[in-house]
Amino acid sequence: AQSVTQLDSQVPVFEEAPVELRCNYSSSVSVYLFWYVQYPNQGLQLLLKYLSGSTLVKGINGFEAEFNKSQTSFHLRKPSVHISDTAEYFCAVRRDNQGGKLIFGQGTELSVKP
Amino acid sequence: KAGVTQTPRYLIKTRGQQVTLSCSPISGHRSVSWYQQTPGQGLQFLFEYFSETQRNKGNFPGRFSGRQFSNSRSEMNVSTLELGDSALYLCASSLDISNQPQHFGDGTRLSIL
Repeated sequence: AQSVTQLDSQVPVFEEAPVELRCNYSSSVSVYLFWYVQYPNQGLQLLLKYLSGSTLVKGINGFEAEFNKSQTSFHLRKPSVHISDTAEYFCAVRRDNQGGKLIFGQGTELSVKP
Repeated sequence: KAGVTQTPRYLIKTRGQQVTLSCSPISGHRSVSWYQQTPGQGLQFLFEYFSETQRNKGNFPGRFSGRQFSNSRSEMNVSTLELGDSALYLCASSLDISNQPQHFGDGTRLSIL
């Protein structure tokens, strides 16, 4: 069975500090990987995606993620966070042969403090 | 370009009733997926439609159903509502059923009394 584990449910951090949100997945077949962000009372916004090619992926709002196949990880990073980055972040996996079905992690609540 | 539009944004129903939620995908997108989001279970896949055909289905009871129209708009229906159906229902669209990313609407918040 395929699963996605986000290792931290909550991450508090001070403004301008770096942050890493961790995501591990399990799958026996090729996968595509995504990070989404959800602000209160809104839907999910795509931050970045890994489909193939370079394992370092850059997304919107200064975020980046690195795909590590041997460790089955796809951690999200930002070198300097802002108050406006406070939100919930979801890692998601899509199997090569399962169309649009996304399997989500449980989410990580990022709280940026002044 | 308009994003994914879901209507209504908020809905209150009582147990035993049925409800229909609507989703208009981004123009040109032909695949529509539905997800349920709850605090306890997180985000769970309901089903996916492409070219008016259901291509994928999650592990939900038969009370949950959907359809897609020729203009790619989609509806989902939940019959005989239960308290546990209270959730945020999210619709996502993508160009097709390949590896293209999905773009989400703001959801319909369904509350069951």
